[in-house]
Amino acid sequence: GQNIDQPTEMTATEGAIVQINCTYQTSGFNGLFWYQQHAGEAPTFLSYNVLDGLEEKGRFSSFLSRSKGYSYLLLKELQMKDSASYLCAVKDSNYQLIWGAGTKLIIKP
Amino acid sequence: NAGVTQTPKFRVLKTGQSMTLLCAQDMNHEYMYWYRQDPGMGLRLIHYSVGEGTTAKGEVPDGYNVSRLKKQNFLLGLESAAPSQTSVYFCASTLIDSGANVLTFGAGSRLTVL
Repeated sequence: GQNIDQPTEMTATEGAIVQINCTYQTSGFNGLFWYQQHAGEAPTFLSYNVLDGLEEKGRFSSFLSRSKGYSYLLLKELQMKDSASYLCAVKDSNYQLIWGAGTKLIIKP
Repeated sequence: NAGVTQTPKFRVLKTGQSMTLLCAQDMNHEYMYWYRQDPGMGLRLIHYSVGEGTTAKGEVPDGYNVSRLKKQNFLLGLESAAPSQTSVYFCASTLIDSGANVLTFGAGSRLTVL
């Protein structure tokens, strides 16, 4: 079967750096997405990786290793507004999105 | 632009009742999707549509029906609601279904079935 694994919850301090990991086992691979979802709101797009390596976008970076079935989302200079769930999703060989259960990130002052 | 709009935002049903969730998008997107989101689980695809007049089953289609009579609207129907259908429902759309396409989500509809 297809599977996406992420930690359920993480806690970090305002101003610090946090890394959220995602491992996947899917039938084929056509890209990996990270979405942010604040409580009670819709998911919003953060990043997309299809080739190995690091994609940087402001305070957020996303890394992909296809050979290891692994990605991480790196958040720098954490702000209170970064408290949210972070969803990892992989597009399989049929271009269907397989979603992880999400990682709830709690930021403490 | 409104983006993707879902109505209603909240609804409480009794077992056996029927209802329809409406999703409307004003971005001229071809592809539209209905997902459900439950605690501890990833988003699960219920049904999707690749264009006006077409629909297809997703991962968890049982107990739901959909229609896409107009390109901008995608309706999700529950003919006979069950407590297992208590969930938050998200509609999403995208222009085309290529590798890098990004989904735009609606704000969600929270449904409780008693």
